[in-house]
Amino acid sequence: DQQVKQNSPSLSVQEGRISILNCDYTNSMFDYFLWYKKYPAEGPTFLISISSIKDKNEDGRFTVFLNKSAKHLSLHIVPSQPGDSAVYFCAALIAAGNKLTFGGGTRVLVKP
Amino acid sequence: NAGVMQNPRHLVRRRGQEARLRCSPMKGHSHVYWYRQLPEEGLKFMVYLQKENIIDESGMPKERFSAEFPKEGPSILRIQQVVRGDSAAYFCASSRTGSLAKNIQYFGAGTRLSVL
Repeated sequence: DQQVKQNSPSLSVQEGRISILNCDYTNSMFDYFLWYKKYPAEGPTFLISISSIKDKNEDGRFTVFLNKSAKHLSLHIVPSQPGDSAVYFCAALIAAGNKLTFGGGTRVLVKP
Repeated sequence: NAGVMQNPRHLVRRRGQEARLRCSPMKGHSHVYWYRQLPEEGLKFMVYLQKENIIDESGMPKERFSAEFPKEGPSILRIQQVVRGDSAAYFCASSRTGSLAKNIQYFGAGTRLSVL
């Protein structure tokens, strides 16, 4: 039972363009969402988060959008840089608990 | 200003042996979480601990796996009588509090367990 899904396993984008990563969830109890970035042989690094009471959060080149009615969130990276090449994980959290539920990840390749 | 420290980074065990994975949380963090990542999959929650207490172990396999976070020292994830299916990357994370708004979990680099 996969409660958080990232349906695109990979994404290739040209340097300077926008990267859009998508994430869908099924559990309406989730009320906090996070994006993590992961390089090979390293642990996930926190990027940006959003509370379920908001629909947008922006931090520099990263913006996360949340559509609660569609149970969908997306991460926009603009402009994309070669150093952004990594695996990106969407994760969700229920207020009453502390465990992160992760999606399967999207591998992003930014071409120079 | 050390982050979450995990050791060893790589661990090789033969079937039937025990594996001990260690995690020291970030300074000032009292909440520790263990996750497992199988090849080509996302991370799966295993257990959440505070000092001397297991808060949520709903993701732990019922047998052979145990975790502790003693008053002094690192958190330990222990796997007894390892089998090939235990081969995975095990990540530890820590957070300052358990409250939702501040609960950003910071991850260590992981321990890669290989069972021969």
